[in-house]
Amino acid sequence: EAQVTQNPRYLITVTGKKLTVTCSQNMNHEYMSWYRQDPGLGLRQIYYSMNVEVTDKGDVPEGYKVSRKEKRNFPLILESPSPNQTSLYFCASSGISSGANVLTFGAGSRLTVL
Amino acid sequence: AQSVTQLGSHVSVSEGALVLLRCNYSSSVPPYLFWYVQYPNQGLQLLLKYTSAATLVKGINGFEAEFKKSETSFHLTKPSAHMSDAAEYFCAVSDEDGSEKLVFGKGTKLTVNP
Repeated sequence: EAQVTQNPRYLITVTGKKLTVTCSQNMNHEYMSWYRQDPGLGLRQIYYSMNVEVTDKGDVPEGYKVSRKEKRNFPLILESPSPNQTSLYFCASSGISSGANVLTFGAGSRLTVL
Repeated sequence: AQSVTQLGSHVSVSEGALVLLRCNYSSSVPPYLFWYVQYPNQGLQLLLKYTSAATLVKGINGFEAEFKKSETSFHLTKPSAHMSDAAEYFCAVSDEDGSEKLVFGKGTKLTVNP
């Protein structure tokens, strides 16, 4: 089944404790991105990647890092999480196989930073 | 830069009634426009997309949207609401002509009353 898999789905952590949210897709998509969803603000893009070793900032990149060493994986790294990063995070991908601009989303990762 | 505005953060309809969710866009180039739906505790999934082939676009689950250039609108409609349509709906526009990056509206939560 074609899908985007995120882990963990739920996480509670404390301020300053580094964490990584993994994202993997099995559709050989070139494009991957991370969004955060907050009430009343909709989805805002954090980082995106056009292909392996190519990443760029989205609209709200502060406090986040990403890497794209393999085509299928696009982890989101919070080096020193803070409470304002409490949010629902989505990974998404798209590529030729899904049609231009058609994003396939993961199920989401709900992060709470205490 | 492209942007979308969704009028009404919450819309409530009775089962069997018309569903109308409003979206206006701002774009300096012919836009690619999308509607995504998010069911409770799930990721977003594509409802339909407009890519200039036809102004009336039919999507899944009986939804359709009409592109009106003169009004810069892309409203989503469904003739008869079903309880299973209760979800949050997001309008999105491609950031640039054909770009993979989507800019999302803030979302409209649809409630369907029995």
